[in-house]
This record gives sequence, structure tokens and C-alpha cells, in this order.
Amino acid sequence: DAGITQSPRYKITETGRQVTLMCHQTWSHSYMFWYRQDLGHGLRLIYYSAAADITDKGEVPDGYVVSRSKTENFPLTLESATRSQTSVYFCASEELAGGVNEQFFGPGTRLTVL
Amino acid sequence: SQQGEEDPQALSIQEGENATMNCSYKTSINNLQWYRQNSGRGLVHLILIRSNEREKHSGRLRVTLDTSKKSSSLLITASRAADTASYFCATSGANNLFFGTGTRLTVIP
Repeated sequence: DAGITQSPRYKITETGRQVTLMCHQTWSHSYMFWYRQDLGHGLRLIYYSAAADITDKGEVPDGYVVSRSKTENFPLTLESATRSQTSVYFCASEELAGGVNEQFFGPGTRLTVL
Repeated sequence: SQQGEEDPQALSIQEGENATMNCSYKTSINNLQWYRQNSGRGLVHLILIRSNEREKHSGRLRVTLDTSKKSSSLLITASRAADTASYFCATSGANNLFFGTGTRLTVIP
């Protein structure tokens, strides 16, 4: 199916565990983004990528690692999960440039860190 | 922070009425976008207005932009129960978007 998908949709983990959230898009969009959404903060950018092998920090990157070996995939890893990383995580993609055109969002991953 | 701020935080109206949401931001922008988020879903793009535009329409949506006041408004006319959602403005940064905290719109049938 065309579009942008995220997996898993729900994840419960424990403090200190490593967790990887997956994001896959079928459009070959250049830009991909990871946001977290928390009550009272709206969406905050964690990391973004302008192309394969090019990534950059967003507003709240601490505790997260990203990679982009292929254009279509943009996994987000929490190396040692903390309770403050309990959130809903959204992946998005944008054609050609960042912040210029509309972004397409995945359905989100609800992560709970116990 | 470049993040926009929506006003009001929550809005409740009767079906058929118009809904107006406002967004204020702090720095100069290339464009401003509005997104909708239904409960438990990802964001969906509604409309984009560029910095050299003052007003834009799309179906029942009307967006205005006043760059001198660093503000934008989203008007939804003849609201429907299906319009119940959270609405976010997003301003363009160097390589990404900055989202506000959203307006929660409830349309009562």
C-alpha cells in the first residue's frame, strides 16, 4: 500500500531498555521527520533527514538516535528508554524540501515506558 | 521558540455554525500551514498559505495571513460533526515545520 506506515502502533517497555520505532514511506520523499506529541506541547521535532545518510537534530533530540540507510526507511531508536519518553511518536515525510510543502504523517506509535 | 500558538485552546459549537481559530507566531516565515488531527490519528494537511498571500480558500476552509501581525486565522464554515478534531498551525523553518499546541474543536450535532 502506498503511504507512510509506522510500527509498532503500540509499545510498552521498561526503563533502560532499547526500543526502535520503524517508519516506512513509499513515495521516495527526500525529507523525513520524527515528532513526539505530548499534552501541552503540541508536536516537537526530534530528528529529521534530508536524504539517505543525512540526518540532523530537531528541538528535542536527547536520548534518541536515528539512521537513514535507505530513502524509504527512517527508524528512531531510544537507546535507554526513560519514563519521560512516554509519548506518541509520529513519523512524517515531505517531498523535495523541508518546511516548504505539506507533510504526510504516519498513524503514530504510542509508547509507554514503565 | 518559533512555535505557533493557537487560540482558543478549545472551541465548542453547534453543527452549521462557523468556527474560527487563530494562530500567532514569532519569527518571519516562508509559509504557514494548517493541519487537522482526528483522535488517535496522524495529522492531515488542510491548506498552505505563502507569506506573500493574504487569503486562501479551499472548500469550506478560509485561511488568512497577516505577516505584519504575525498571525493567521482558519475559518471553517457550516461546520459538521465530522469536523470535530484538533487543528494545528505550522510555520516553516529552515528545513522543517514548527507546530503549535492546537485548538480542540467540538461540533455538536
